[in-house]
Amino acid sequence: DGGITQSPKYLFRKEGQNVTLSCEQNLNHDAMYWYRQDPGQGLRLIYYSQIVNDFQKGDIAEGYSVSREKKESFPLTVTSAQKNPTAFYLCASSRQGVTADTQYFGPGTRLTVL
Amino acid sequence: AQRVTQPEKLLSVFKGAPVELKCNYSYSGSPELFWYVQYSRQRLQLLLRHISRESIKGFTADLNKGETSFHLKKPFAQEEDSAMYYCALPGEAGTALIFGKGTTLSVSS
Repeated sequence: DGGITQSPKYLFRKEGQNVTLSCEQNLNHDAMYWYRQDPGQGLRLIYYSQIVNDFQKGDIAEGYSVSREKKESFPLTVTSAQKNPTAFYLCASSRQGVTADTQYFGPGTRLTVL
Repeated sequence: AQRVTQPEKLLSVFKGAPVELKCNYSYSGSPELFWYVQYSRQRLQLLLRHISRESIKGFTADLNKGETSFHLKKPFAQEEDSAMYYCALPGEAGTALIFGKGTTLSVSS
């Protein structure tokens, strides 16, 4: 299971703190994505990036921020403005950034707000 | 707007029984549809996509444009098929996928 990695596996945050989740891929994929997975809600798109130095908001971007300075990396920051951040976060990547292509997922990061 | 509906949260069947996981969609144009699967303690991974028309692990899915459905089927369920299954299609930008809420398949002996 190489290719796309996420760290840390578990993350605990105090209320009012910002935290950054790491996502790295060595698949040479152009596009990268962040999803949030909650029980009974499925996967909801937070942000996505089709190319380096460009990204777009997904359906639930409020309270989150991203950067895409390198092709391999797409970190997600969960800010204190996110009202309910406790969730399982999944990063994904795909070859093409223009049309839908198979997405490859990382193992996820479980964030808990204390 | 694009939308994916998986009406069943949980589907329980016995080993050897047929399985059908339902997926209905709303999409303007000709959709590219996917089924993803998440086995216990494993990553979410692609099971099949409609454009390839492959049969993976005995599963098939046929796109029915008239009924706007992409149901996942398997004639004889196995215990190792127990997992969470998600149906997905491209969002409005055409790249990021929109996922349904998922169906948990439980196969017991």
